[in-house]
Amino acid sequence: GAVVSQHPSRVICKSGTSVKIECRSLDFQATTMFWYRQFPKQSLMLMATSNEGSKATYEQGVEKDKFLINHASLTLSTLTVTSAHPEDSSFYICSARDRVGVMNTEAFFGQGTRLTVV
Amino acid sequence: AQTVTQSQPEMSVQEAETVTLSCTYDTSESDYYLFWYKQPPSRQMILVIRQEAYKQQNATENRFSVNFQKAAKSFSLKISDSQLGDAAMYFCAYRKGSGNTPLVFGKGTRLSVIA
Repeated sequence: GAVVSQHPSRVICKSGTSVKIECRSLDFQATTMFWYRQFPKQSLMLMATSNEGSKATYEQGVEKDKFLINHASLTLSTLTVTSAHPEDSSFYICSARDRVGVMNTEAFFGQGTRLTVV
Repeated sequence: AQTVTQSQPEMSVQEAETVTLSCTYDTSESDYYLFWYKQPPSRQMILVIRQEAYKQQNATENRFSVNFQKAAKSFSLKISDSQLGDAAMYFCAYRKGSGNTPLVFGKGTRLSVIA
């Protein structure tokens, strides 16, 4: 299957700093990528939909100024957590779908990023 | 809005036995997809099985099969000959068929496999 690479897998940052998480589709083009957040022992909650070349669409309750999303190319989307606080500590996962063909029905997930804000 | 409900927070099964995980969903759409994902301790999401709503035949993938009851909006996962490696969180997910729509996940079922 297709591969989505997410980096870094783990990051620890100080409160008040910013952290960037990258999500790359390695062998396909993804017009749209999705960013999820997962708290311990809970499900994946959609944060935003990232569209190549346009502004991201954020879910209700997600602060767009805190969680900056940039989708500059068909293979890369980034999520920047700005002015991070301990409550932003969580597991962040991206997913992407191939924009064409039979692969379009399936979403492929990155490995996730565990963010700890101290 | 579409919702996905998994009513079993935890399940356990003896190795080599069969277990069924439940999932129901709510939608007014006629074109959609349903999925079961496995999330092991590594937290990598792994697709287990997929079902297109327009297909009447239940999907199967080796030891994994689904019971798709469209009228009842039910989509259960059956794992046969359970193995220790099947222990994980299992998420049922829904996606609307048209457009670049995201997955909507249930709350998950934690499956334990007893040796």
